[in-house]
Amino acid sequence: DSGVTQTPKHLITATGQRVTLRCSPRSGDLSVYWYQQSLDQGLQFLIQYYNGEERAKGNILERFSAQQFPDLHSELNLSSLELGDSALYFCASSAGTQQGYEQYFGPGTRLTVT
Amino acid sequence: ILNVEQSPQSLHVQEGDSTNFTCSFPSSNFYALHWYRWETAKSPEALFVMTLNGDEKKKGRISATLNTKEGYSYLYIKGSQPEDSATYLCAFRAAGNKLTFGGGTRVLVKP
Repeated sequence: DSGVTQTPKHLITATGQRVTLRCSPRSGDLSVYWYQQSLDQGLQFLIQYYNGEERAKGNILERFSAQQFPDLHSELNLSSLELGDSALYFCASSAGTQQGYEQYFGPGTRLTVT
Repeated sequence: ILNVEQSPQSLHVQEGDSTNFTCSFPSSNFYALHWYRWETAKSPEALFVMTLNGDEKKKGRISATLNTKEGYSYLYIKGSQPEDSATYLCAFRAAGNKLTFGGGTRVLVKP
């Protein structure tokens, strides 16, 4: 158990809908990262937050947005869902952003868009 | 687009044998290199974070080396055991915090 929690574990929804995925980092970690793993691609970095502020952006679609709240939990919002958005979404946390910090992954949320 | 390559894609190892595999990454703008172990139906587990050229890290029977000048890292498993079966991912971190993952090396240890 990494100490990172994600809810829900599974989510099934229809095309065009909007969903919110939630992540709570390990106690004391200030940085949160979101990743997407779809069937035909490896692990793709989406976005990173540090202490409430966006720090880095990866291959995140405009239909997706994220935020980190004052209590450090983070939410990933996915809207106008398409079949291709079906994937495993991981959240990871680290204590800081300096180069030596490890990232600890949560169990993931499996999103199925039908 | 950053190119992070892992080879081989998969390998079968006999229990007790040692093995190693490679992660290649851009030699410029290096910030850190992460190694993860990812078992099926679980989440990636952090193995090492390597930041300095010449770094060598060890955790039990698993060790890793880093060459930032030529852009590669090796992961070694000594005396492989069935529980070492997993996909091993490397991730290159450039300045600016973005992490780019390799495709992984899938290791299957046969008893």
